Amino acid sequence: GQQVMQIPQYQHVQEGEDFTTYCNSSTTLSNIQWYKQRPGGHPVFLIQLVKSGEVKKQKRLTFQFGEAKKNSSLHITATQTTDVGTYFCAGPNAGGTSYGKLTFGQGTILTVHP
Amino acid sequence: EAGVVQSPRYKIIEKKQPVAFWCNPISGHNTLYWYLQNLGQGPELLIRYENEEAVDDSQLPKDRFSAERLKGVDSTLKIQPAELGDSAVYLCASSPINSGVGFNEQFFGPGTRLTVL
Repeated sequence: GQQVMQIPQYQHVQEGEDFTTYCNSSTTLSNIQWYKQRPGGHPVFLIQLVKSGEVKKQKRLTFQFGEAKKNSSLHITATQTTDVGTYFCAGPNAGGTSYGKLTFGQGTILTVHP
Repeated sequence: EAGVVQSPRYKIIEKKQPVAFWCNPISGHNTLYWYLQNLGQGPELLIRYENEEAVDDSQLPKDRFSAERLKGVDSTLKIQPAELGDSAVYLCASSPINSGVGFNEQFFGPGTRLTVL
């Protein structure tokens, strides 16, 4: 079945440093979504990427979708303590009986030290 | 706009006991999802409803888990009997449409943290 892997599993940074998490799918994705989950909270949607090679920015966050639509990345510039949390990528299955199912990666846990 | 509502927020039961979780999605959202999230893992889909129809329940352990979405609005997820390994957070999410091609964002509820002793 489809697998969505994220690296690294954990990342500790000093406030002001940059942070990047990578997402890789075993299958081609029609689109990819990113979610953030604060400690003790629930996943909150950040963005969706659809086009091959697409790059989107949200303030200090930059999201990229690979040319082959099998990988994606999230880069945060100059991290702040409010960036703390777990970042998940999620991609839908394409075709088959589970068409439409969203598969989440295991997440990257970001800790920001002030 | 009110978000996805779930209850209870926490539940502690002994193994072999039944338990039920309730979810009220965002008004107008016809797609509803139940996920299971273990510590340090991403959410795993248990069942997806479009209106009152369960369109994907392939990951639902049907020997002990059941779900329903009467009238295509509220939903309940039941476990009977609960096992120690069922301890996890059960998340409900909803989205306005699921075309199967371009997904809309999913709005998650706060979850129910289940502890089975």
